[in-house]
Amino acid sequence: DQQVKQNSPSLSVQEGRISILNCDYTNSMFDYFLWYKKYPAEGPTFLISISSIKDKNEDGRFTVFLNKSAKHLSLHIVPSQPGDSAVYFCAASLDSGNTPLVFGKGTRLSVIA
Amino acid sequence: DSGVTQTPKHLITATGQRVTLRCSPRSGDLSVYWYQQSLDQGLQFLIQYYNGEERAKGNILERFSAQQFPDLHSELNLSSLELGDSALYFCASSVDPEEKPSGANVLTFGAGSRLTVL
Repeated sequence: DQQVKQNSPSLSVQEGRISILNCDYTNSMFDYFLWYKKYPAEGPTFLISISSIKDKNEDGRFTVFLNKSAKHLSLHIVPSQPGDSAVYFCAASLDSGNTPLVFGKGTRLSVIA
Repeated sequence: DSGVTQTPKHLITATGQRVTLRCSPRSGDLSVYWYQQSLDQGLQFLIQYYNGEERAKGNILERFSAQQFPDLHSELNLSSLELGDSALYFCASSVDPEEKPSGANVLTFGAGSRLTVL
């Protein structure tokens, strides 16, 4: 039973446009959400996070939106750049302490120049 | 370089064999996590150690075991290997929540160990 779902395995976007990556979760106890980016032959790297008490967190070109009632979050990348091409993983945890993260299967983003 | 070191990077072995994957966490991090990424699958949590003690267990098979040593490095032992065990195995570490209560769940990952079972 997948608690964190990324229903789009892949997404293609033109350079300069907005990339929107979506994530749904089923466990209402999740309190903290994170996005990770992964390039080939590398480990995932932390990108941005959001606490359940917020509905938006922004860091440069990256913004994460959280809709708790819909159990849905999204990552917006504006403007998209070719270097953003990677696999993006959504993750959730029960708190901000060191409890294990639950990951989705990832979405492969391709930014076309 | 994330600061989390995993060895070996690649490993090819046969069914029925046993392998050990090694992980050195980032300096100062007390927690170590192991994740498995199979083909077309997300990162599946296997097990977590905190300062030498097992803290949480996920979908870890009985054929797999792990430990964290006093110097905080960790080893994941996989035995009686099957074809389906072929995967990327990631180690991650995180800061001590007592030192940094907010953000201790931000994991820093190593580059992974790719295991191929033939």
